[in-house]
Amino acid sequence: SQELEQSPQSLIVQEGKNLTINCTSSKTLYGLYWYKQKYGEGLIFLMMLQKGGEEKSHEKITAKLDEKKQQSSLHITASQPSHAGIYLCGAAAGGGADGLTFGKGTHLIIQP
Amino acid sequence: GAVVSQHPSWVICKSGTSVKIECRSLDFQATTMFWYRQFPKQSLMLMATSNEGSKATYEQGVEKDKFLINHASLTLSTLTVTSAHPEDSSFYICSASPSTSGADTQYFGPGTRLTVL
Repeated sequence: SQELEQSPQSLIVQEGKNLTINCTSSKTLYGLYWYKQKYGEGLIFLMMLQKGGEEKSHEKITAKLDEKKQQSSLHITASQPSHAGIYLCGAAAGGGADGLTFGKGTHLIIQP
Repeated sequence: GAVVSQHPSWVICKSGTSVKIECRSLDFQATTMFWYRQFPKQSLMLMATSNEGSKATYEQGVEKDKFLINHASLTLSTLTVTSAHPEDSSFYICSASPSTSGADTQYFGPGTRLTVL
C-alpha cells in the first residue's frame, strides 16, 4: 500500500517568514493533493498536481510535484496567522476515482 | 462551488446504539463518495468507497457489517455505525468528486464528531 511521509511534523514560523513542507510517496504518484485542516474541522482543498514538474500557486502558497522523486513540496511565502493549521498531502492509489491515502500532516504555527 | 455538507456535525450516543451520518454534495452530482475516519492527532484513514446504485467497497480491516453505507442518490451517501462502542468514537469525514470531473478533485465535508459513551 502507498505511504506518504510528510516533513516536518510540526513547524513554528515567525509571521512574515517563508516555509516549506515536503511530502514523499513510497510509490508512483498519479495525483498529489494538498489540503489544509483546522483541528476538528473538515479539509480545505488547496491544490492538486498531476504531472511531473507541475507547479501551481494560489495566493501565497505554491506547490510543486517532482514525479521522479515521488515528492511534492508546499511553499508559503510571507506567512500570515491565517496560514496556521494542519497541512495534509494526499495521493490516489491509481489513476481513477480512488480514495486518498494521506500523510500524517504538518502542524504549522505562525508566531506574531 | 463544490460544497459538501455533513449532518450531524456532532453526535453523542450510548454504547450499543446505531448512528447515521449523512454526506451531501450540495451543488454537484457525485457517483462516488468516500468515507474517512480520523482519530485524535492522527491523519485521515480511508474506510470505504461509496458508489451510487451499488455496494460500497471497504478498505481492509473495516467491518462492512458495522459500518453500513448507502449511496441512494447522486447527492447523498449515508454511513451508519451500528452497535456503536466507545472505540468507534472518532471524527468521520466524507468526500465527493464531481461526476464530470476527470481530474478527480475530492471535496471534503466538515466532518462529524461521534462520541460513544
